[in-house]
Amino acid sequence: SQTIHQWPATLVQPVGSPLSLECTVEGTSNPNLYWYRQAAGRGLQLLFYSIGIDQISSEVPQNLSASRPQDRQFILSSKKLLLSDSGFYLCAWSVPTSGGAYEQYFGPGTRLTVT
Amino acid sequence: KNEVEQSPQNLTAQEGEFITINCSYSVGISALHWLQQHPGGGIVSLFMLSSGKKKHGRLIATINIQEKHSSLHITASHPRDSAVYICAVRPYGGSQGNLIFGKGTKLSVKP
Repeated sequence: SQTIHQWPATLVQPVGSPLSLECTVEGTSNPNLYWYRQAAGRGLQLLFYSIGIDQISSEVPQNLSASRPQDRQFILSSKKLLLSDSGFYLCAWSVPTSGGAYEQYFGPGTRLTVT
Repeated sequence: KNEVEQSPQNLTAQEGEFITINCSYSVGISALHWLQQHPGGGIVSLFMLSSGKKKHGRLIATINIQEKHSSLHITASHPRDSAVYICAVRPYGGSQGNLIFGKGTKLSVKP
């Protein structure tokens, strides 16, 4: 069965410090991978998605970046965190169903607080 | 105006009540998702539908493509149903699997 891992679960970082969040998927090949952010009191916002190794698309311009060095590994990074980067970060994966739709499966999330 | 609107934003119910959460969207879609987010933050996909109705246990999801509207119903609600319910749509012509999310409906079921 498929499993998605994210770490760390919680993180407190000072403004200006770097960030690296990691997401790995098991039990599937060539998934689409996604990074979402959920700020306090707001809906989920798509940050990045990837359809393959080293293929990253950014949905929202920001000081964050993403990389996919391996098929089932997706990394979210920042060189210098801002206060506004605080939030709940979710990784998700999807593969097309037989009907062509994309069911999405979410990881447990990382709660980031920038102080 | 948000492309996906949910109502109500907050809902408190007594155990056993029938619950309805609504979702309206303004774009053409190929699929609509209902998600459940528990207090710890984890998200579970409940339904993905593009027409008609789906049922899973006490949960029922319906969609009316012409009216751009979907509803999530919970029958015989229970305190363990307390969570945030999120509607998300995949627009026509959008990138593979990309979703637009509503802000969620926070449900609290009292015993």
